[in-house]
Amino acid sequence: NAGVTQTPKFQVLKTGQSMTLQCAQDMNHNSMYWYRQDPGMGLRLIYYSASEGTTDKGEVPNGYNVSRLNKREFSLRLESAAPSQTSVYFCASSQPGLRDTQYFGPGTRLTVL
Amino acid sequence: DQQVKQNSPSLSVQEGRISILNCDYTNSMFDYFLWYKKYPAEGPTFLISISSIKDKNEDGRFTVFLNKSAKHLSLHIVPSQPGDSAVYFCAASARRGETSGSRLTFGEGTQLTVNP
Repeated sequence: NAGVTQTPKFQVLKTGQSMTLQCAQDMNHNSMYWYRQDPGMGLRLIYYSASEGTTDKGEVPNGYNVSRLNKREFSLRLESAAPSQTSVYFCASSQPGLRDTQYFGPGTRLTVL
Repeated sequence: DQQVKQNSPSLSVQEGRISILNCDYTNSMFDYFLWYKKYPAEGPTFLISISSIKDKNEDGRFTVFLNKSAKHLSLHIVPSQPGDSAVYFCAASARRGETSGSRLTFGEGTQLTVNP
């Protein structure tokens, strides 16, 4: 039981490049989330998926797209990376009924040059 | 518009003493509050939570207090241990239905350092 896994752990991109961050959970949770963490700003919600087949924007969705591939997997795509997207990205999952307790992955540290 | 604020970026306490971490919120629709702990290079881990129908919740060395009228919550750690040194995030949510995902709003975090 690995919980929430994220790949890659680290990534360096040049401005304009694209990439996809992968997230998978093995807890059979319905809901999944993508956050970014920047110094002094806590965690901000980018996108979330309340259940398989649905996605919704969070607080800071611009420049990102997501895909809920199946119940286990939720990917985050940067189509044209910008230096402002340098951040640590966390994926999380939760189960309705376990009120709002989200379980986080270890994070992906992304640098855009 | 920062709806959840942790005004102290850092806190340093001696081992064995009490650590008190504070959090303020502005959105009166928030009805559930959580504290997460984060070590470097790891994801946040859930620590303790409290519903708005309560004013206190205790779990071992950790107690969370909620003052709804002041829109303020605090996390008490007694006694503090060096292993408690981490960043602590306060988070809040408003109920959106049983089948909806929960949207957590996080504070900026407080770095707690417990000195031996």
